Amino acid sequence: AQSVTQPDIHITVSEGASLELRCNYSYGATPYLFWYVQSPGQGLQLLLKYFSGDTLVQGIKGFEAEFKRSQSSFNLRKPSVHWSDAAEYFCAVRTSGTYKYIFGTGTRLKVLA
Amino acid sequence: DAGVTQSPTHLIKTRGQQVTLRCSPKSGHDTVSWYQQALGQGPQFIFQYYEEEERQRGNFPDRFSGHQFPNYSSELNVNALLLGDSALYLCASSLVRGSNEKLFFGSGTQLSVL
Repeated sequence: AQSVTQPDIHITVSEGASLELRCNYSYGATPYLFWYVQSPGQGLQLLLKYFSGDTLVQGIKGFEAEFKRSQSSFNLRKPSVHWSDAAEYFCAVRTSGTYKYIFGTGTRLKVLA
Repeated sequence: DAGVTQSPTHLIKTRGQQVTLRCSPKSGHDTVSWYQQALGQGPQFIFQYYEEEERQRGNFPDRFSGHQFPNYSSELNVNALLLGDSALYLCASSLVRGSNEKLFFGSGTQLSVL
């Protein structure tokens, strides 16, 4: 069965520091990959997605992610974190032929001033 | 342009009761999906509605049912509530498939079962 693993439950970084959130998926073929952000009391907002083509994708709010087929990974990065980035981040996968998104358990990001 | 709206925002029920949650998709969207997000977990897919039919269903019991209306709005019904049904229920709408695919989520309905 398909699955998504986010190994880091909590991450704390200082404002201005770089960030990398890890995501690994389990699926035989190339899936469609997504990163969402959820702020308290709000729904999920799409940061970026990968369907095909260039394995480095750019998203909103200065985020980027790189798809590495050999590692079954889709890690999210940001070169300089802002205090407003504090939120929970979810990696998700959708496989061809289905309509459901499979989400990881999320990584809660804390930003120190 | 209103995004995805869900009602109510919070709900408290007791075990055995039934509940109906409502969702209005983003303007122009014709597909509605429902997700359950338990505390500390990622959202889990319940089902998706398209053209007023359930198109795909996740691993949820038959106590969970839904409906989509001609105006694309949707309802999620849960019968015989259990304590374990306490969660944030998220509605998401979409229109385009393929590389322009994007799910828009509502802020959710927080259901507490006592």
